[in-house]
Amino acid sequence: SAVISQKPSRDICQRGTSLTIQCQVDSQVTMMFWYRQQPGQSLTLIATANQGSEATYESGFVIDKFPISRPNLTFSTLTVSNMSPEDSSIYLCSVEDRSPGLETQYFGPGTRLLVL
Amino acid sequence: GENVEQHPSTLSVQEGDSAVIKCTYSDSASNYFPWYKQELGKGPQLIIDIRSNVGEKKDQRIAVTLNKTAKHFSLHITETQPEDSAVYFCAASFGGYQKVTFGTGTKLQVIP
Repeated sequence: SAVISQKPSRDICQRGTSLTIQCQVDSQVTMMFWYRQQPGQSLTLIATANQGSEATYESGFVIDKFPISRPNLTFSTLTVSNMSPEDSSIYLCSVEDRSPGLETQYFGPGTRLLVL
Repeated sequence: GENVEQHPSTLSVQEGDSAVIKCTYSDSASNYFPWYKQELGKGPQLIIDIRSNVGEKKDQRIAVTLNKTAKHFSLHITETQPEDSAVYFCAASFGGYQKVTFGTGTKLQVIP
């Protein structure tokens, strides 16, 4: 399976500021995904990021709030803009594995964000 | 869209006993059902998955069953150990690496 790293692992931010989260994978992948996990809750897909095209956002998430970059096949960033305490969550990067018959998603360790 | 329900939300078992977590899904087109284990402070880890062409899959102490007619699938952990304590998420998708919908999670506590 792919090895995924995220930076930062955690951060405490002031409201109104922005934070950019990086996701790096050790192999080339076509699709990368960004999820949000609010405290004690399940995972919610924010957007799907394909290299060379604009990210596709899920209902309830907009590009102005969560801009995403995907400059190459091993890297992506998610920015949480103009943060409020409600943005305090774990943000998770995920990548696809398209091995025939073994298609699945693998997750990074997450970025724990606290907004004061 | 897909909706996945998961029960129970919390589960406590004695070490050595079995644990069962159940999920139902709504979209009959879903054909891939992974289970993830999330330990405190970590990202979800894929522990087992099943595809709609099989009804049961086993990996050591972990097994998953699928009933496509009833649209439900279950995770079975036998001979539980304290290190099995974690939050477990079921999920469903079409295609495996496509959009995955997660259940609400089950917090499993194995009591030594």
